[in-house]
Amino acid sequence: QVQLQESGPGLVKPSETLSLTCTVSGASIRSDYWSWIRQPPGQGLEWIGYIFHIGTTNYNPSLKSRVTISVDTSKNQFSLKMASMTAADTAIYYCARRARIGAAYYMDVWGKGTTVTVSS
Amino acid sequence: QSVLTQPPSASGTPGQRVTISCSGSTSNIGSSPVNWYQHLPGTAPQLLIYNNNQRPSGVPDRFSGSKSGTSASLAISGLQSEDEADYYCATWDDTLNGVVFGGGTKLTVL
Repeated sequence: QVQLQESGPGLVKPSETLSLTCTVSGASIRSDYWSWIRQPPGQGLEWIGYIFHIGTTNYNPSLKSRVTISVDTSKNQFSLKMASMTAADTAIYYCARRARIGAAYYMDVWGKGTTVTVSS
Repeated sequence: QSVLTQPPSASGTPGQRVTISCSGSTSNIGSSPVNWYQHLPGTAPQLLIYNNNQRPSGVPDRFSGSKSGTSASLAISGLQSEDEADYYCATWDDTLNGVVFGGGTKLTVL
């Protein structure tokens, strides 16, 4: 059974960089794509970006200048870094596997999410 | 404002059939498969429908998806109280070159 678990600080100061890690168990990170998604309080889901195990990335254009997603195949983990955090970045952050069948891509396994609050 | 448009709320009584719409454009729904997710607050979102109308194993056949042109729909038949949740459509957008979600629909079982 594939499981994903987010980890990282729950509180980040404004202007600082958020660092989150997603640990994958039950599957090799050397397959599929791996995504980050977030949900601000009272709002809907927002895609942040994804990475393929060889390092290929794709980011939400609205966040691209501040986001870096990386992968550590030796630890079966992938990570999110988001710079210049503001209160608007307060959200629940989820990691998910982006699976594929033919031309259809979908996020089939999600972590439980981690709450990140931006406050001084 | 979301690229994909969903009604903010929907409701039905137990046993009823409810549909949730998702409207987009030729650069997203019109050219890519649509997925649907069920999200209960405080839990991980769950894939409900992928590739327009495919159900992952374990998802009851009460849930079905369809797509026509630049719109998609999620139908839930035999509504149950446990179906009360937020539902999101999602797809790829060629113009934005990324994944886009609908704003979400809060389903209430009366």
